[in-house]
Amino acid sequence: EDKVVQSPLSLVVHEGDTVTLNCSYEVTNFRSLLWYKQEKKAPTFLFMLTSSGIEKKSGRLSSILDKKELFSILNITATQTGDSAVYLCAVEAGGAQKLVFGQGTRLTINP
Amino acid sequence: NAGVTQTPKFQVLKTGQSMTLQCAQDMNHEYMSWYRQDPGMGLRLIHYSVGAGITDQGEVPNGYNVSRSTTEDFPLRLLSAAPSQTSVYFCASSYGRASYEQYFGPGTRLTVT
Repeated sequence: EDKVVQSPLSLVVHEGDTVTLNCSYEVTNFRSLLWYKQEKKAPTFLFMLTSSGIEKKSGRLSSILDKKELFSILNITATQTGDSAVYLCAVEAGGAQKLVFGQGTRLTINP
Repeated sequence: NAGVTQTPKFQVLKTGQSMTLQCAQDMNHEYMSWYRQDPGMGLRLIHYSVGAGITDQGEVPNGYNVSRSTTEDFPLRLLSAAPSQTSVYFCASSYGRASYEQYFGPGTRLTVT
């Protein structure tokens, strides 16, 4: 059974700190891993990582994929209160056309 | 572009009632999907469609039906509502595969009493 596990489930830090969110997975025929940010309502897309693109960066956010060890991390540097959200990791297994999501990490940034 | 729209935003049902959650997108996306989100469980795939006339089951399909008669619309039907179906439901679409950037609707909060 395909499985995605995120850690920690919850994290509280101060503004300006750097955080690392973890996502490990067990899927057959891995195809890609995606990160989403969910604030009040619908998730919004952050990154997609595949065999041909194992590192992505956008501003203060960056993510890497380790296909050998079957995990990904999402780094946020110089955190701001607007980074407070639930961060979701999802994996697509090859040919499945389905995303399997982890439980999410609730990140709270205190001023 | 309205993106992905969902109606209703909130709904309360009694056990045994049926209803349809509506989802529409105006981006000409081939892939559409329905998820439910329960506290502490992330998103779980209910059903998905890779194009008009084609649907398939996801992780938690029991108690739900879907159809895809047009590219734009992907309604989700609850056949006989149960309290276990109390959840927030999201519809999403993407241009191609599930792993392409999926655009999510605003969600429907459903309570079954």
